[in-house]
Amino acid sequence: DAGVIQSPRHEVTEMGQEVTLRCKPISGHNSLFWYRQTMMRGLELLIYFNNNVPIDDSGMPEDRFSAKMPNASFSTLKIQPSEPRDSAVYFCASGLEHLYEQYFGPGTRLTVT
Amino acid sequence: GNSVTQMEGPVTLSEEAFLTINCTYTATGYPSLFWYVQYPGEGLQLLLKATKADDKGSNKGFEATYRKETTSFHLEKGSVQVSDSAVYFCALKGAGGTSYGKLTFGQGTILTVHP
Repeated sequence: DAGVIQSPRHEVTEMGQEVTLRCKPISGHNSLFWYRQTMMRGLELLIYFNNNVPIDDSGMPEDRFSAKMPNASFSTLKIQPSEPRDSAVYFCASGLEHLYEQYFGPGTRLTVT
Repeated sequence: GNSVTQMEGPVTLSEEAFLTINCTYTATGYPSLFWYVQYPGEGLQLLLKATKADDKGSNKGFEATYRKETTSFHLEKGSVQVSDSAVYFCALKGAGGTSYGKLTFGQGTILTVHP
């Protein structure tokens, strides 16, 4: 199995630009999670989906952030417009609802200048 | 709500030293408990788990025992190696109902092992 796939691995953009992060979960998994990791705030859960439906988006910092899961094999996290304080590593993880382990992707390192 | 508290780091040890990273939790009922490890430049990966009180999870020389009476799940290793340098996260899955697989993570503890 290829594991959770994220793209791009690195993204550098200017303030005000739109950024789209992509995630392909492990085939057969029905839960998908988006996290953000920074030195200051640690690991934060932004939003998670179950069977492609958003369950809890209370961790999304503000309206500039949005996430979609159009099908079981693809999800996006969009930031528009981006700001320097959005600089972080963004992780996608997938799992099975009735099991306990989450499988993390390698992350996307976002730098907003 | 559920919460996890880990000892603050960073923790710096010499190779072959004994390691303890403390983790305590707050949750109703009987949650499942986990330790995840994050190596530099990578995502988190499951290190070990325990699903009921008094269970001991173990993997790669690491151990942790689910202590209901003290609401703790401390991570231990008898002899650390330089390759164990990483960030360690304690986590729990709440008991009862469906959580859709959601985990509550602690803040992470940075471990650095010197030769």
